[in-house]
Amino acid sequence: EAQVTQNPRYLITVTGKKLTVTCSQNMNHEYMSWYRQDPGLGLRQIYYSMNVEVTDKGDVPEGYKVSRKEKRNFPLILESPSPNQTSLYFCASRAGGDYNSPLHFGNGTRLTVT
Amino acid sequence: ILNVEQSPQSLHVQEGDSTNFTCSFPSSNFYALHWYRWETAKSPEALFVMTLNGDEKKKGRISATLNTKEGYSYLYIKGSQPEDSATYLCAFMSAGGTSYGKLTFGQGTILTVHP
Repeated sequence: EAQVTQNPRYLITVTGKKLTVTCSQNMNHEYMSWYRQDPGLGLRQIYYSMNVEVTDKGDVPEGYKVSRKEKRNFPLILESPSPNQTSLYFCASRAGGDYNSPLHFGNGTRLTVT
Repeated sequence: ILNVEQSPQSLHVQEGDSTNFTCSFPSSNFYALHWYRWETAKSPEALFVMTLNGDEKKKGRISATLNTKEGYSYLYIKGSQPEDSATYLCAFMSAGGTSYGKLTFGQGTILTVHP
């Protein structure tokens, strides 16, 4: 089954404790992206990747890192989480060369930073 | 940052009612307009990708229209059912400059259909 898998689904952590949210897709998609969803705001892009070893900042990259060492995986790293990073996070992918193809989303990770 | 607005923010209708809501986006450098349906505790799923002015798309009881010259898209649901309750997201893709290929999302319209 074609899917984007995020882990964990829920995460509660404390300020400053490094964490990683994993994202994996099995559709051989070149393009992958991370978004955060906050109440009253649309999905805001954090980082995206056009292919292996090619990443770039989205609209709200501060406090986040990403890597794309393999085509299928695109982890989101919070080196020193802060309470303002409490949010619902989505990973998404699409075929890179086709801007008309829709995004495929993971199930989301709800992060709470205390 | 591009401005994509959805209205209304939330909507309550009775089962069987037909309803519609709006997505407004920049009328310049248009490339595509996406609609997604997001049910609680699930991931957003694509409904439509619209690329041409005047496009009309339909999937069951849900349809969408697109006006790129004036910068808006309507999503219609005919005969709403409780299972249509969800947040409906639109996303604008620009053809210009550094935003090329990037999707900018609206804040969503939350639809609740009461039995």
